[in-house]
Amino acid sequence: ETGVTQTPRHLVMGMTNKKSLKCEQHLGHNAMYWYKQSAKKPLELMFVYNFKEQTENNSVPSRFSPECPNSSHLFLHLHTLQPEDSALYLCASSQSTGRWTYEQYFGPGTRLTVT
Amino acid sequence: DAKTTQPPSMDCAEGRAANLPCNHSTISGNEYVYWYRQIHSQGPQYIIHGLKNNETNEMASLIITEDRKSSTLILPHATLRDTAVYYCIVGSNSGGSNYKLTFGKGTLLTVNP
Repeated sequence: ETGVTQTPRHLVMGMTNKKSLKCEQHLGHNAMYWYKQSAKKPLELMFVYNFKEQTENNSVPSRFSPECPNSSHLFLHLHTLQPEDSALYLCASSQSTGRWTYEQYFGPGTRLTVT
Repeated sequence: DAKTTQPPSMDCAEGRAANLPCNHSTISGNEYVYWYRQIHSQGPQYIIHGLKNNETNEMASLIITEDRKSSTLILPHATLRDTAVYYCIVGSNSGGSNYKLTFGKGTLLTVNP
């Protein structure tokens, strides 16, 4: 596997379910991101992790819970979601040693539908 | 708030050059201009970035005006696979800060046969 992978690619869940999205990067990067892209809206940054430490939480509701066990893996745990949380969830990674960079590499995304 | 302004859509004939403009009149001295594109239902893809000199790579060229208030992304020979939303983003490379990509609505480039 190369680049940034995300699983599952599609997920349908009820409002009372608990599920997790997984992201893995094979680029040797040390920063990872979660973005949300709702229909007809720009991408929104949700969380940033640098060397496994969360450095940004963009006012995301607590029903979204990120986890970064190491620099290569990032999870987004979901529980009691709302239908308006249906969106494309994108993971990205970048290098941040020394100087941060805006050159981020994105995964293909998980299309989430909350019923 | 978005720091850039782009036309919502553009058309280009296959094989011709696609020139995508971006206005960033409030750009500060240490901010770079980055371009990404997003093909339908895929994750965004980094294209190119620059500070004040023109840049070229295997995907595109970036022309930045001398006053740095605007730039143009050039795809020299557009193909149907270049149909995508193109995002122009400005940001600083100063150390010690998180690098948050703030995406606007971008320009939907449609390459026609």
